[in-house]
Formats: sequence, structure tokens, C-alpha cells
Amino acid sequence: QVQLVQSGAEVKKPGASVKVSCKASGYTFTTSDITWVRQATGQGLEWMGWMNPKSGNTGYAQKLQGRVTMTRSTSISTAYMELSSLRSEDTAVYYCARIVGRRNDFDYWGQGTLVTVSS
Amino acid sequence: QTVVTQEPSFSVSPGGTVTLTCGLSSGSVSTKYYPTWYQQTPGQAPRTLIYSTNTRSSGVPDRFSGSILGNKAALTITGAQADDECDYYCVLFLGSGIWVFGGGTKLTVL
Repeated sequence: QVQLVQSGAEVKKPGASVKVSCKASGYTFTTSDITWVRQATGQGLEWMGWMNPKSGNTGYAQKLQGRVTMTRSTSISTAYMELSSLRSEDTAVYYCARIVGRRNDFDYWGQGTLVTVSS
Repeated sequence: QTVVTQEPSFSVSPGGTVTLTCGLSSGSVSTKYYPTWYQQTPGQAPRTLIYSTNTRSSGVPDRFSGSILGNKAALTITGAQADDECDYYCVLFLGSGIWVFGGGTKLTVL
């Protein structure tokens, strides 16, 4: 069965960077794009960007351009999302999800990773 | 900047019917935006209800349906149940690898 398992919670200071991982299993990692979505406590979902695991091509939300980087390691079927210059507003649960290309939706989601930015 | 609009909250009686909508700040929503609806309960990842405007995801009861109503995407829940009380999000694919979520609708069943 398809699973996306994310790394554990992180606490970071303002100005630092965080890197969250998302390990895929149950399908061929390079056949589906991965997207990242975040959700601040009590707030809505925010789309962050996508990555093609085969080519490494990426696309980011304009709001996060310059601060977010999505990468992968195909050998271990893992996607990564790194966010730099962290500020308190980046405190959120970060989700990875698999994109179904022909439908342009996200069918399987990771369990979420809480990133707390606090001095 | 494109904004996707949803009603912040909605209330429905048990057994009743409710329609939640998903609009665009500029223009009309059509099938080309692949409207998708997610259901989210507290502390859980979102779950797909409807994709590509009106296709139910596997295991979703047929009391959930999707459509285009006027210039918006719509999610209709027929025969609302207590455990339908949660948050509902729509997301639109704008093309060129860009998606935008709506702000979400908090549904109350009472």
C-alpha cells in the first residue's frame, strides 16, 4: 500500500533553516510528483510547491520563492522540503502528498511534521 | 494574485442538504481547474472526497457530490450526518504547476 512517512517534529530559532523528509513506499517513487502543503495552527491549507522525483524539476508558490527548496534522493525514495530564513509565521504542520498527474489532485498524504519557530 | 474563495462556515441540520462553494477572485471556476474537495478532521491529514470536479474518491459515500454551479465549483452533502462536522477545503489547479487552496469551510451539523 502507498505510504508517505515524514520525519519528526522540529523546533527552530528565527533565521534558521529546517529540512523535512518524506519517505515514499508502496509505489515507484519516480512515477509521481510530490507536493508540499502546510497548515498553521487553526488555519487553512497552503500549497507550497511541487517536485518531479525523476527529473528533479520543481515549482514553488510565489510567496515562498527564494526560501523554499524541494529535493529528492531517488535511491531511498525520499523527498525533502527545506525552508530557510524561518520566522514565527512559518510555525505550522508541513505535509507531503503524492500528485495524481492525470487528475491534478493529491491522493496520498504524509502524517504531517510540526515545525515550531521560536526564540 | 489569485484567491480561491470559500464560505468560512456553514451549518446544516442532521439529514439535511448543504452546498459548499469554491470560487475565484477573478473569473469563473470551470472543469479546466480540476476542482478537488478535501475533508479534514482535527489532527488528521486531509482526505480526498471529490476530484476532477465531480468524481468521488474511492470509499467516499455517494451522499457527497461535486459539480459546477454557476461560476463556482460546488460540494453538496445530502443527508448530512454528525461525523460530517469538520473542515472542507477546495483546491484549484491554475496550470503551469500551480495550485491554490481555498480558505476552507467549517461545517457544523446541528
